[in-house]
Amino acid sequence: DTGVSQNPRHKITKRGQNVTFRCDPISEHNRLYWYRQTLGQGPEFLTYFQNEAQLEKSRLLSDRFSAERPKGSFSTLEIQRTEQGDSAMYLCASRPEGLNRRGTGELFFGEGSRLTVL
Amino acid sequence: DAKTTQPNSMESNEEEPVHLPCNHSTISGTDYIHWYRQLPSQGPEYVIHGLTSNVNNRMASLAIAEDRKSSTLILHRATLRDAAVYYCIQRDNNNAGNMLTFGGGTRLMVKP
Repeated sequence: DTGVSQNPRHKITKRGQNVTFRCDPISEHNRLYWYRQTLGQGPEFLTYFQNEAQLEKSRLLSDRFSAERPKGSFSTLEIQRTEQGDSAMYLCASRPEGLNRRGTGELFFGEGSRLTVL
Repeated sequence: DAKTTQPNSMESNEEEPVHLPCNHSTISGTDYIHWYRQLPSQGPEYVIHGLTSNVNNRMASLAIAEDRKSSTLILHRATLRDAAVYYCIQRDNNNAGNMLTFGGGTRLMVKP
């Protein structure tokens, strides 16, 4: 399978613990996005990378959240000192750069990592 | 991105056509309309997109109003596997990052 891969698929943690999610994008895709989705809502943008550069961060990305993409391939999203409000599905998506940005802009999403904070 | 407006939910019978409406009254001349859908326990997947003309692909058709303030996603024969949340997204052409801003979407239920 050459789609976007996310691990772990499910994570249950206690409040105050740190968690890290990993995303492996489609191999030729140099843009990578993180979204968060709570129950019954649409996905909300968190941040995106072009290669290893983090180009934009949403106001939703508090100081407890950090995302990296050190070699421009896989990415990690770490949440420190988790809170119950962090419980959500964390979605990763990727796409190749270089397409006419007026064009498709199709994002390829992974299946997500579901976080439950007790 | 500017917001779109969709009904919260719709029902359809299997093997019948489904028309999912979307309003995007603040759309500007170069903004594209994208549709994604999200099956249960999966990430969103691309369905179709368009600018001005109607568009067809293997999954669906997209009909865009002449004034571009609304559009309709058409599933020609709904199947049980089409039960999902459908998101209509107005993509700001000035959005260099190509981020998509999702609303609440329309939950489509398909009855056998």
